[in-house]
Amino acid sequence: AQKITQTQPGMFVQEKEAVTLDCTYDTSDQSYGLFWYKQPSSGEMIFLIYQGSYDEQNATEGRYSLNFQKARKSANLVISASQLGDSAMYFCASRSGSARQLTFGSGTQLTVLP
Amino acid sequence: EAGVAQSPRYKIIEKRQSVAFWCNPISGHATLYWYQQILGQGPKLLIQFQNNGVVDDSQLPKDRFSAERLKGVDSTLKIQPAKLEDSAVYLCASSLTVDRVNSPLHFGNGTRLTVT
Repeated sequence: AQKITQTQPGMFVQEKEAVTLDCTYDTSDQSYGLFWYKQPSSGEMIFLIYQGSYDEQNATEGRYSLNFQKARKSANLVISASQLGDSAMYFCASRSGSARQLTFGSGTQLTVLP
Repeated sequence: EAGVAQSPRYKIIEKRQSVAFWCNPISGHATLYWYQQILGQGPKLLIQFQNNGVVDDSQLPKDRFSAERLKGVDSTLKIQPAKLEDSAVYLCASSLTVDRVNSPLHFGNGTRLTVT
């Protein structure tokens, strides 16, 4: 079974600063994928970034990067140059070859301060 | 491309009533998912379809919840009878295939259900 742990219920960051949202995962599969989603107050789930278990480079998508540390089973999301529009709930999720479903953590509420 | 469409956006019912939600996935997406998201929690998978077949419904409360995917495209999720604890946002998602770990899920805007 897969498990995702997000230990930060809430985070605050100053506008234009960088912030790291923590995520640890637990899976016995060798092949798996890690995802981050953003959920604004309007409710939609927006796909941000993906990291595969065999990827040697950390994934990057614009201001988002994923700090992947396989041995520690962590997949932290780094948002650079925070903007007010980044205020939202952020979910880490994993998917493995055997489980197929996407399993989510409990989320981190990020608030960007002006 | 058009995104995942869901309706209704909001629904308020009394306990013991029935309710149905509709989802139209992104065109060409073989896999469709229904997730339940209780306030303050991450989404939890209820059921997963590959085309019109069920891949995983192990977390679906089958005594009151049912789902179908007509002709491998649209899907409906039904609750009958509803309980207070069913109050949640019901998210529909689709992906190209279930067999690739790197295939992201694309979500609709969800249906917010309130059971009184």
